[in-house]
Amino acid sequence: DQQVKQNSPSLSVQEGRISILNCDYTNSMFDYFLWYKKYPAEGPTFLISISSIKDKNEDGRFTVFLNKSAKHLSLHIVPSQPGDSAVYFCAALRDTGFQKLVFGTGTRLLVSP
Amino acid sequence: GAGVSQSPSNKVTEKGKDVELRCDPISGHTALYWYRQRLGQGLEFLIYFQGNSAPDKSGLPSDRFSAERTGESVSTLTIQRTQQEDSAVYLCASSLGQGFPNTEAFFGQGTRLTVV
Repeated sequence: DQQVKQNSPSLSVQEGRISILNCDYTNSMFDYFLWYKKYPAEGPTFLISISSIKDKNEDGRFTVFLNKSAKHLSLHIVPSQPGDSAVYFCAALRDTGFQKLVFGTGTRLLVSP
Repeated sequence: GAGVSQSPSNKVTEKGKDVELRCDPISGHTALYWYRQRLGQGLEFLIYFQGNSAPDKSGLPSDRFSAERTGESVSTLTIQRTQQEDSAVYLCASSLGQGFPNTEAFFGQGTRLTVV
């Protein structure tokens, strides 16, 4: 049962344009959503998060939008840079008890100069 | 060290042999995760330790897989009688524990396991 889904395995964007990475989830009880970025041969690193009580969180070039009614979130990168090329994972968490992070399958972003 | 450390970084083993992968979490982190990423696939949850609670083993793919953690320190993931489909990058992560943002996970660089 895949509770967190990233339906686009890859995305190609030109430098300077907007990158939009999408994530869908099935469990309405999730309290927080996180995005991780992974370069080849490295472990994933935390990028940005959003609480389920918010609909937007912004950090520099990165903005995450949450649509709870649609159980959908997206990560916007503006402007995209070649160094943003990586695999992006969406993750979700229920913040009660000992709850583990549930990850999506990832989207590979390629930003071309 | 300051981050999550995994060893070995690479492991090549013959089919049928047992392997042991090690993870040293960040000091003070009570939660520890093991994930694996097969080539071209996403992050697959294997097991989750939180303090002294019983681990969540729901992601272990078969009884050939087991993991242990000593208190809130080192964890080892053991794969017995390895198969070629076990080839993957095995990632360990740790977090402070309960209550966001303490649940933010910090990952190690992973162990690339190749079964030949």
